[in-house]
Amino acid sequence: DADVTQTPRNRITKTGKRIMLECSQTKGHDRMYWYRQDPGLGLRLIYYSFDVKDINKGEISDGYSVSRQAQAKFSLSLESAIPNQTALYFCATSDWTGGEETQYFGPGTRLLVL
Amino acid sequence: GNSVTQMEGPVTLSEEAFLTINCTYTATGYPSLFWYVQYPGEGLQLLLKATKADDKGSNKGFEATYRKETTSFHLEKGSVQVSDSAVYFCALFFYNQGGKLIFGQGTELSVKP
Repeated sequence: DADVTQTPRNRITKTGKRIMLECSQTKGHDRMYWYRQDPGLGLRLIYYSFDVKDINKGEISDGYSVSRQAQAKFSLSLESAIPNQTALYFCATSDWTGGEETQYFGPGTRLLVL
Repeated sequence: GNSVTQMEGPVTLSEEAFLTINCTYTATGYPSLFWYVQYPGEGLQLLLKATKADDKGSNKGFEATYRKETTSFHLEKGSVQVSDSAVYFCALFFYNQGGKLIFGQGTELSVKP
């Protein structure tokens, strides 16, 4: 079974709709991240969380919100979707123990906003 | 600010050709450097890393050396295979700056039989 799962894998929505992307992990990691990937731009950080009570904005947080419901779950919400939020979204986790930093990525959610 | 620049793709090679994907960075401080790979339809996975100057990371026949003097971390492989076709991302990471990865824009590699 995958260590980092994302649901849904694909989503089509309309402008103005609220949607939620979910991420779950079984790795036991404290740190979780949300990125979006756009062609030619690489991955850009939206939000990150270092533990259940910690939420931090990344470089492109406008129009997004997150919830860290438990150590294993980190959800990304688009309160009112707009077409330029069409992208591939990735959740990632990492374990800071011992100073080792490798991020483990989910398979991605492809979002289309019409 | 901190940033990563990769050579533009797509890079198209024949099987068994030599691969170089250039990566240079701008950083205030001493980052760790990573290469991640994204196979079609999948998320990113760590390919290799180096945590200090002159370190060489290696995995699956790929290598990259952390060159502080040229602020580079070029990815190389002596003989590519069709299965190496993927998008490759260079990234840097600062332990003392909040623990976030900064990615380059990615370089697509296509290997033809």
